[in-house]
Parts: sequence; structure tokens; C-alpha cells
Amino acid sequence: GDSVTQMEGPVTLSEEAFLTINCTYTATGYPSLFWYVQYPGEGLQLLLKATKADDKGSNKGFEATYRKETTSFHLEKGSVQVSDSAVYFCALSDPQGAQKLVFGQGTRLTINP
Amino acid sequence: GAGVSQTPSNKVTEKGKYVELRCDPISGHTALYWYRQSLGQGPEFLIYFQGTGAADDSGLPNDRFFAVRPEGSVSTLKIQRTERGDSAVYLCASSLSTSGGRRTQYFGPGTRLLVL
Repeated sequence: GDSVTQMEGPVTLSEEAFLTINCTYTATGYPSLFWYVQYPGEGLQLLLKATKADDKGSNKGFEATYRKETTSFHLEKGSVQVSDSAVYFCALSDPQGAQKLVFGQGTRLTINP
Repeated sequence: GAGVSQTPSNKVTEKGKYVELRCDPISGHTALYWYRQSLGQGPEFLIYFQGTGAADDSGLPNDRFFAVRPEGSVSTLKIQRTERGDSAVYLCASSLSTSGGRRTQYFGPGTRLLVL
């Protein structure tokens, strides 16, 4: 079945550092890809998404590009802030089939001032 | 506007008891989803409703779990004969529809269930 694998955390960076969180997927079709973020004490929020190959999703300075050839959707940010500290989840859904989201295990990110 | 709400926010029960978890989706959203998130893991799909009917219940772990959405809005997840392994955060999400850009799922804050 479909699956998502994220780089293991936790990840700790200093403010203004460059961030990459790796995400790869396995799917039989052409899934839509998502990054969700869970801030401390809050619910899951959609951060960005991409629905077809070579699409780039972006929001709040974060970017991720849908790479079909490497089945990847890595999350990047050029300069992180303390407020970016959260748990990040990569996810996919099959637009032609089941409506469910399939999530990775999450990556906890801590940014130190 | 109001987001997805879930009640209670926390529930502690004893092994063998029955529990109900409630989800109020965003007004006008026709699709509703339940997920379960164990500690340190990503959410796992349980069941999905389109309107009043369960369109996909393939994620329900066994017949102790059941969910309803009788009027196509509020949904209740019901767990019978709870076990310690049922302890998790139960997440509800809703989407405007199931096509195109309206498929985006919006999540509630979750119900944290602890079975003693």
C-alpha cells in the first residue's frame, strides 16, 4: 500500500539556519503531496501542498517540490525562526481513489535563539 | 470562522468501558474523517464519511470501533470495551468536498483518550 517515510528527528537548529526535512513516498498512482505542521498545543495545520509532478508548494517561507523521479517531497526553508519549532508531517493522498491521508511519522523541529 | 471542534478534549476511562468522541466539522463541509495518532507517530486513518454514509471504513481496527454521522454534520466515534491499546489522540478532519482543491482536510484539536 501507499506509504510515506520522513527523516527521523528530532532536529535542532539555530535561528536563521537552513532547514531541510526529507520525505519520500511509495504510491501506486500519482498522489497529491502535503506538509502539515503541529505547533505545541495546537491541531494539525496544512502548511503546503502539491498535486502534480514538478509543482512547488510554498507558504510562510517554506517550500517543497514534487519530484516524481525520486518520489520525494522534501521541505526546505532558507532561514528558520524560533516560531517554526513544531512537529512536521509529510502526507499523501490518492486523488483518484481513497480520500484518506497517509502520513509519515513526523519530525520534531526545535529552533534555538 | 469556526474550525473543526472536538469534545471532550481529554477523556480518561477504565478498561472495558464504552466511550463516545464527538466531532463538529466546519459548517458546509460534506466530507468528514477520523484518524488516530499514537504517541510519536503520524495520524492513521480510521474512517471517512461523505454526507451521512461511511464511504471508507477500512481503517477501523476491529468491530469495537464504530462511527456515525446521522445528519451529515456532527459525527460520533464510539469505542466499546475499551482496551489500554486504544489510548491515543483521536483526530477529526473535514473538507469542503472530495474533488480538486476542495479536498483539503482541516483538522480539529483532537481528543486525548487514556484507558487505564
